[in-house]
Amino acid sequence: EVQLVQSGAEVKKPGESLKISCKGSGYSFTSYWIGWVRQMPGKGLEWMGIIYPGDSDTRYSPSFQGQVTISADKSISTAYLQWSSLKASDTAMYYCARLITMIVGDAFDIWGQGTMVTVSS
Amino acid sequence: EIVLTQSPGTLSLSPGERATLSCRASQSVSSSYLAWYQQKPGQAPRLLIYGASSRATGIPDRFSGSGSGTDFTLTISRLEPEDFAVYYCQQYGSSPQMYTFGQGTKLEIK
Repeated sequence: EVQLVQSGAEVKKPGESLKISCKGSGYSFTSYWIGWVRQMPGKGLEWMGIIYPGDSDTRYSPSFQGQVTISADKSISTAYLQWSSLKASDTAMYYCARLITMIVGDAFDIWGQGTMVTVSS
Repeated sequence: EIVLTQSPGTLSLSPGERATLSCRASQSVSSSYLAWYQQKPGQAPRLLIYGASSRATGIPDRFSGSGSGTDFTLTISRLEPEDFAVYYCQQYGSSPQMYTFGQGTKLEIK
C-alpha cells in the first residue's frame, strides 16, 4: 500500500525549534516530489514548498521562503519540515503529500494524515 | 503569481441534487495543471480530479471536471450524503514553481 505516515502532534513554546517528519512507503520514494501544505485552524490549504528526495532539489512558496526548511533523507524514505524559531502563528495542521506527474497533469495523489503543531506560551 | 478564486463560498443543496462549483484563475492556466480535492472534517484532502477533467483512482463517476483557460468547474451530478465536504481547486505554475490552492467551497446539506 502506498502511504505517507507523519509524525505525531507537537506542543511547543514560541521560540522553540521543531522538525516534523513524513515517511513514505509502498513506492519508490526517490522518484516523486513531496510537498508540504499548511492548514491553519478553520482555514484553507496553503502550499508551502516541495522537495525531490532523489536529489533534494527544493522549491518554496514565496510566503514560506526563509520561514521553514524542507529536507529529506532518502536512505530512510523520509521528508522533513522544520522551524528554527516557532511563532504562535505557526499553529496549524501540516500535511505532506506526494506529487504525481502524469501525461494529463500533476496533482497531489497521496496525503499524509497530518501533523498538528500547537505553539503556545 | 496566479490567484484562484472559488465560488460560491458555501453551497447549500440536498442529496440527489446537482452541484456546480467554480474555480476562476487570475490568468490562464494550463488544463494539465488544474486539480480538485475534497476534504472532510478531521481528514486529509483527497484527490478527485487532475488535468482538469480526469478522475483519480476510485473516484465515482458522479464527479466530473471541466473547463480551460481561466474558468474551471467541478460538477457532482447527484449528491450523496458523503459528498458534503469542502472542495479545493489547485493549479501548478512554472515560473516560479508554485502549487496554489483556491480558498475552498463548502458544500453543506440544505
